[in-house]
Amino acid sequence: GDSVTQMEGPVTLSEEAFLTINCTYTATGYPSLFWYVQYPGEGLQLLLKATKADDKGSNKGFEATYRKETTSFHLEKGSVQVSDSAVYFCALSDTGRRALTFGSGTRLQVQP
Amino acid sequence: GAGVSQSPSNKVTEKGKDVELRCDPISGHTALYWYRQSLGQGLEFLIYFQGNSAPDKSGLPSDRFSAERTGGSVSTLTIQRTQQEDSAVYLCASSLKAGDNNEQFFGPGTRLTVL
Repeated sequence: GDSVTQMEGPVTLSEEAFLTINCTYTATGYPSLFWYVQYPGEGLQLLLKATKADDKGSNKGFEATYRKETTSFHLEKGSVQVSDSAVYFCALSDTGRRALTFGSGTRLQVQP
Repeated sequence: GAGVSQSPSNKVTEKGKDVELRCDPISGHTALYWYRQSLGQGLEFLIYFQGNSAPDKSGLPSDRFSAERTGGSVSTLTIQRTQQEDSAVYLCASSLKAGDNNEQFFGPGTRLTVL
């Protein structure tokens, strides 16, 4: 079945540091890939998405590229801020299965 | 416009009792999803509804769990004879229609605690 594996947290960075959160997936079809973010005390929000190989999703300075050859969708940001502190979830939606399959989540803590 | 709303925000119940959780999707969204977020299992899909089609119940963990969607809008997730392992945050999401490219908008969740 489908699965998503993401790096375990927590990840602790200083402000303005470079961020990478790794995400790899297993899917039987041609999935769409997503990053969702959950800020403290808030609900899940879509951060970015990519629907086919080599697509790059971007939003709020975050980027992720759909790499079919490595089945990966790593999240990156060049300079994190304290306000980026949150839990980040990688997810996929596979062909024929409309629900999202989520990774376990990675908690990011950015220190001033 | 209003987002996805869920009620109650918190529910504490005793083992063996039945509970009902409510979800109001975004107006005009035809697809509605239920997920469960727990410490041990992460975010798990439970069930989804698309228009008038038969729901996909493949994620329901046992026959104690059921859900319905009335009039293509509001949905109720019912858990019968609750167990302690049912304690989790239950999330509802909606999208314009079910499909790979349709963003799912999540509600704030209902935190269920079974004593």
